[in-house]
Amino acid sequence: DTAVSQTPKYLVTQMGNDKSIKCEQNLGHDTMYWYKQDSKKFLKIMFSYNNKELIINETVPNRFSPKSPDKAHLNLHINSLELGDSAVYFCASKRGGNYEQYFGPGTRLTVT
Amino acid sequence: GQNIDQPTEMTATEGAIVQINCTYQTSGFNGLFWYQQHAGEAPTFLSYNVLDGLEEKGRFSSFLSRSKGYSYLLLKELQMKDSASYLCAVRDRDDYKLSFGAGTTVTVRA
Repeated sequence: DTAVSQTPKYLVTQMGNDKSIKCEQNLGHDTMYWYKQDSKKFLKIMFSYNNKELIINETVPNRFSPKSPDKAHLNLHINSLELGDSAVYFCASKRGGNYEQYFGPGTRLTVT
Repeated sequence: GQNIDQPTEMTATEGAIVQINCTYQTSGFNGLFWYQQHAGEAPTFLSYNVLDGLEEKGRFSSFLSRSKGYSYLLLKELQMKDSASYLCAVRDRDDYKLSFGAGTTVTVRA
């Protein structure tokens, strides 16, 4: 069974559109994350939720809005997409304490 | 915040050893992780150090010196499948935030 899953895997859309990416983990972890990996492969944290509560909110345009309906899900909604939003977005999860994060397969977003 | 540096690229021959260095400057430290990322795939966990010293896991070892803000990942008996990007990541004291270096792309040649 997939531990951390994301949908869709690929997303091609036009500038100005609104889109969502979904993430689910079946590991029973308390903490979930969204990362953005740009064309230079630099992986940067965007948001983190712990037990449905937002705990990390990096300097991200407010066009990006995360939502955690329950502990196992963390979705990312993006309004008014821009060319610079093109990247691979990774979801990850971790259990409490000093443990490693498990990453989803990534969603490659291309804005044209 | 964190400032994490690692070399951009390294090339080595199959069967050889490669050492990937990572230096960091941090306002708070709560552990250092190494992840492997093959092209087009998700990062996967390799190792974790929070105390000084060497952690060995099969062909991979990771070393940490907190006083020097320095870590390395040692890959032994290189195989073609080890060609990947290796990411150094430092955990902040708040326990939730992981800051990644830009990654080191290792190419293994026959």
